[in-house]
Amino acid sequence: AQSVTQPDIHITVSEGASLELRCNYSYGATPYLFWYVQSPGQGLQLLLKYFSGDTLVQGIKGFEAEFKRSQSSFNLRKPSVHWSDAAEYFCAVGAGSGGYQKVTFGTGTKLQVIP
Amino acid sequence: GAGVSQSPRYKVAKRGQDVALRCDPISGHVSLFWYQQALGQGPEFLTYFQNEAQLDKSGLPSDRFFAERPEGSVSTLKIQRTQQEDSAVYLCASSSGLAADTQYFGPGTRLTVL
Repeated sequence: AQSVTQPDIHITVSEGASLELRCNYSYGATPYLFWYVQSPGQGLQLLLKYFSGDTLVQGIKGFEAEFKRSQSSFNLRKPSVHWSDAAEYFCAVGAGSGGYQKVTFGTGTKLQVIP
Repeated sequence: GAGVSQSPRYKVAKRGQDVALRCDPISGHVSLFWYQQALGQGPEFLTYFQNEAQLDKSGLPSDRFFAERPEGSVSTLKIQRTQQEDSAVYLCASSSGLAADTQYFGPGTRLTVL
């Protein structure tokens, strides 16, 4: 069975600083990988996804992530954080079988942005 | 276009009561998923529908949990004889039906069992 580890429960960055959120996954085959963001009281919004091809994936809101098979990682990055980026971020891995994605989420990283 | 909607947004139940949570997926989406998100945790898969067929219910925590999607559109998650450990946010997601497609999530229903 697949699993996801997000080692950082909480991260604080200054507005304008760069950001990297870590994600490690465990899955026997080539994974489908996702990053979602959740603001308080809101549902999950997809930031980006990796299925195949280029290992550097561009997403919405200026986010990008890099798939590194050798490290089983899919870290999320943003060069300059905005106050509106404060939210909880979830990395997820999908096992595609039977025509659907059974998605397993990490426990999330809560991002605080300070002025 | 409208996204995934869920109702009610908040539900308070006394222990032992039955509850029903509704999900309206994006129109035309074949696949529908339910997840449970406990406080401070990531969402956990409960069950999956393809049209009206429930193809995977491996994540349902007990036989008190029951989900249906009788006409292949709206889905209802029912919890019988609620327990305090059922308190969580219940998220619904839908997708087009292709394996690689994105799951689009609703805002969730926050269930509190007293």
